[in-house]
Amino acid sequence: AQTVTQSQPEMSVQEAETVTLSCTYDTSENNYYLFWYKQPPSRQMILVIRQEAYKQQNATENRFSVNFQKAAKSFSLKISDSQLGDTAMYFCKGAQKLVFGQGTRLTINP
Amino acid sequence: EPEVTQTPSHQVTQMGQEVILRCVPISNHLYFYWYRQILGQKVEFLVSFYNNEISEKSEIFDDQFSVERPDGSNFTLKIRSTKLEDSAMYFCATSGTSSGTQYFGPGTRLLVL
Repeated sequence: AQTVTQSQPEMSVQEAETVTLSCTYDTSENNYYLFWYKQPPSRQMILVIRQEAYKQQNATENRFSVNFQKAAKSFSLKISDSQLGDTAMYFCKGAQKLVFGQGTRLTINP
Repeated sequence: EPEVTQTPSHQVTQMGQEVILRCVPISNHLYFYWYRQILGQKVEFLVSFYNNEISEKSEIFDDQFSVERPDGSNFTLKIRSTKLEDSAMYFCATSGTSSGTQYFGPGTRLLVL
């Protein structure tokens, strides 16, 4: 079975710091997409960023960027200049499009 | 910006009762999904739906569950005889392509008593 693994159940940083959330995955596909979703306390699932596997350039959306290492099957999310509103659960969604990681609970402290 | 909507936002039901959860997809999307998330746990795939039929389903999606798109607009998830363990947040997601970004609705919080 294909898997997506987030090895950090919880993380906590100070406001304005940079934080990196890790995700590894397993797939036999060659072309695929990877996603990071944010789930704030409201429990809405919000797309943060996506990466297309055939693109070598790492995706960037404002303060959010990814470090995509295709050979290592690694897809980490970097949040720069973290803000209080970034406090949420973050889920990596893997190459097998129906599979989520276990989630990382990120807390930004004032 | 187009968005996926779900109704109801909350539903409380008695064990053994039938519930229908509704989703209105983004208008040009053709791929539809249901996920559930038991409180504090990971998001689990239930079923995907395309061209008026189920394309994939998980082990969770047993005979108690069904999906349909009755009027070409709403996409529904029916649980025929609810169990206590069906209590969860149910998310609908839709996408324009089979491997593209899935956009999630706000979820329906189901509580089975």
